Amino acid sequence: AQSVTQPDIHITVSEGASLELRCNYSYGATPYLFWYVQSPGQGLQLLLKYFSGDTLVQGIKGFEAEFKRSQSSFNLRKPCVHWSDAAEYFCAVGGVYNQGGKLIFGQGTELSVKP
Amino acid sequence: DAGVTQSPTHLIKTRGQQVTLRCSPKSGHDTVSWYQQALGQGPQFIFQYYEEEERQRGNFPDRFSGHQFPNYSSELNVNALLLGDSALYLCASSLVGTASYEQYFGPGTRLTVT
Repeated sequence: AQSVTQPDIHITVSEGASLELRCNYSYGATPYLFWYVQSPGQGLQLLLKYFSGDTLVQGIKGFEAEFKRSQSSFNLRKPCVHWSDAAEYFCAVGGVYNQGGKLIFGQGTELSVKP
Repeated sequence: DAGVTQSPTHLIKTRGQQVTLRCSPKSGHDTVSWYQQALGQGPQFIFQYYEEEERQRGNFPDRFSGHQFPNYSSELNVNALLLGDSALYLCASSLVGTASYEQYFGPGTRLTVT
């Protein structure tokens, strides 16, 4: 079955520390890959996307993600976390099996930042 | 430049009732997708509209229907509401084609069914 897995439901990091959020997908072909962030009571904001080309992509707010085909992963990273980064993060895939514009989301990782 | 807007922000309905949610896409976008996000879950795709037609549909019953207007705005209708329909409903807009995957979301409508 098609799926997106975010293994970590909740992560806590200290402000100033580095961050890596994991995302794995189960598809035969390389899908389009996205990371979104959602603050409480808000909609989703697109952080970054991968369609093709360079496997290390830069996004907004200092985030980056690396696509690893051999591991079917698209992990999100940030070298220095700020308190304002506390939010829910969603990995999503699209472009699978010609399913139009449908995005398939993982269950999300809640990030807490301690002072 | 206005982003994606949705109305209303919050809504409380009773089981069996019908509800209509509205969405205006980001300026320049022509495609609208709707998602349902239950508490503690990731968004689930309901359907997508382009050129006033339903282009793609997820695993949702026929109680969920939609419409897209000539100005690209869209409505989501849910009939015979169930308690399980309580969720945040998100609208996302994009451009047709490959770019349809690059979706920009509105703030959502929180629907509570009692």
